[in-house]
Amino acid sequence: QKEVEQNSGPLSVPEGAIASLNCTYSDRGSQSFFWYRQYSGKSPELIMFIYSNGDKEDGRFTAQLNKASQYVSLLIRDSQPSDSATYLCAVISKEYGNKLVFGAGTILRVKS
Amino acid sequence: ETGVTQTPRHLVMGMTNKKSLKCEQHLGHNAMYWYKQSAKKPLELMFVYNFKEQTENNSVPSRFSPECPNSSHLFLHLHTLQPEDSALYLCASSQDTRGRRPGYTFGSGTRLTVV
Repeated sequence: QKEVEQNSGPLSVPEGAIASLNCTYSDRGSQSFFWYRQYSGKSPELIMFIYSNGDKEDGRFTAQLNKASQYVSLLIRDSQPSDSATYLCAVISKEYGNKLVFGAGTILRVKS
Repeated sequence: ETGVTQTPRHLVMGMTNKKSLKCEQHLGHNAMYWYKQSAKKPLELMFVYNFKEQTENNSVPSRFSPECPNSSHLFLHLHTLQPEDSALYLCASSQDTRGRRPGYTFGSGTRLTVV
């Protein structure tokens, strides 16, 4: 099993819709979870982090964490074409010496 | 500008060449990392330095040789690379390697092509 798994997509949503991106992880001891956005040809940019079960909201972004199910998600409300990018889920993994372990990313396309 | 600067942005090299990638961070961080990003694969952690000391080498072939002269600078020396080494090489930094704080800041990367 991969340490961090994401559906590669592409996930296509119309402009103004809610985009829902999902991620599962294997290390039950993980405590910190991150979402990075990466535009084509650019470096990853941190957009959200979450430590506790439940929801965390920041503007149009909401991160959701369920440690019992080992599941973390990112919701993007009122999706814009500028949100089109690859979204990388990352987890601080105790199994890997508290290093940041990434999923392969989900491609999001927002159609105007 | 993220505070982590990588040069060059693009590099084309032959399999017999020797070249170096450079990373510099202006964030006062103590940990620096090299990641490799290949198409449709997760970012692969290559090397970790914490307070200038190498703390991790993820079974990286010896044709990649890191150097960290101080907490602000990190190099990746390349020699006798293979075409499959072509990828985006990303440098990142964080406050330290204890992990919890979301301080991983990435540079813009070096797009390496081995011909």
